[in-house]
Amino acid sequence: KQEVTQIPAALSVPEGENLVLNCSFTDSAIYNLQWFRQDPGKGLTSLLLIQSSQREQTSGRLNASLDKSSGRSTLYIAASQPGDSATYLCAVRSRGGATNKLIFGTGTLLAVQP
Amino acid sequence: DAGVTQSPTHLIKTRGQQVTLRCSPKSGHDTVSWYQQALGQGPQFIFQYYEEEERQRGNFPDRFSGHQFPNYSSELNVNALLLGDSALYLCASSLKPSTDTQYFGPGTRLTVL
Repeated sequence: KQEVTQIPAALSVPEGENLVLNCSFTDSAIYNLQWFRQDPGKGLTSLLLIQSSQREQTSGRLNASLDKSSGRSTLYIAASQPGDSATYLCAVRSRGGATNKLIFGTGTLLAVQP
Repeated sequence: DAGVTQSPTHLIKTRGQQVTLRCSPKSGHDTVSWYQQALGQGPQFIFQYYEEEERQRGNFPDRFSGHQFPNYSSELNVNALLLGDSALYLCASSLKPSTDTQYFGPGTRLTVL
């Protein structure tokens, strides 16, 4: 059974700092891994999607890496801003299913202090 | 182009009641998935609908049921509500069940008293 874990559960950093969020999964048989952002009480916004054959994806100040063999992914945020404050969720799409069902971690609550 | 919409935004029910939540997928999408997100947790997959049929189901009891209409919109029904059903219910739509790209709606916040 696939399980996804995110560490740390919460993180507070001063504005301008670079930071790394961690995600681990127990079964390496995945199609892909996604990072989402969720503002309080809101839906999810997809940030980056990494296919199982890829090692990393970049979008602006965000860079996500994937090491499928070790079951780990990191989300790197450069030059953090107060507007980056949100919960960040990672999710995997496991192989073997007929749908795009996602298995989520519990998220990292990020606060960027001005 | 409207994204995924959900109604109502908020809902308060009492234990034992029944509730229906609604989702309209993004224009052009034919597949709808439902997720339950308890406070402080990640979303958990409830089920997915495609071609008006349930295609895959997560680990949820039969009290949770759904429907998809010919226009691809979907309903989530929960019977005999429990306090533990209090959560944010998210709908996601995609073009076909296996497509990687999914769009999530804003969710419906259900509170069971």
